[in-house]
Amino acid sequence: DVKVTQSSRYLVKRTGEKVFLECVQDMDHENMFWYRQDPGLGLRLIYFSYDVKMKEKGDIPEGYSVSREKKERFSLILESASTNQTSMYLCASSSQRDRGKNTIYFGEGSWLTVV
Amino acid sequence: ILNVEQSPQSLHVQEGDSTNFTCSFPSSNFYALHWYRWETAKSPEALFVMTLNGDEKKKGRISATLNTKEGYSYLYIKGSQPEDSATYLCARVSTGGFKTIFGAGTRLFVKA
Repeated sequence: DVKVTQSSRYLVKRTGEKVFLECVQDMDHENMFWYRQDPGLGLRLIYFSYDVKMKEKGDIPEGYSVSREKKERFSLILESASTNQTSMYLCASSSQRDRGKNTIYFGEGSWLTVV
Repeated sequence: ILNVEQSPQSLHVQEGDSTNFTCSFPSSNFYALHWYRWETAKSPEALFVMTLNGDEKKKGRISATLNTKEGYSYLYIKGSQPEDSATYLCARVSTGGFKTIFGAGTRLFVKA
């Protein structure tokens, strides 16, 4: 069974804290993604990565950074959490073979509340 | 950002009803369309990937059609069951295969 695992399901952090959201996939996928889900909006892409140490900005990268030191792991970092970053964060991965037509596999999400 | 629109936003049906939702998207630079099913507290799961105009895919009671020229896809559920209750997401991929834009989803509630 393919798996994308997000280590933290529910977090409550204070404004200004540095927050790490970790994601691991076991499918040897080249591509990894971080999305944000807010009510009434589609999944919005924050950052993605095509390879180890590679990263590309998505549609809403402001206030976030990422790290991909190993192929299976992709971390989302909130350098200084703010209340408008309260949201549900989804990690995902996909194969680069036949890009765009490949299924995206998602984690179960991390619910972050910033107070 | 190119908009992918899904309608309706939510839908309440009775068990046994058949239903359908719409995903509208810009037709230019189209590469592929994905449908996902997202149950509460679970991961979104892939239903279909569609690429060709006129494509029709089926999985059990769920089917989908694609019109790339006019920029829409329909998802049909025949004889809805309570376990079909979920959010159904569509996602459009642009030429080149990198840019994927998701719609906001259609939330389906099936009452027993």
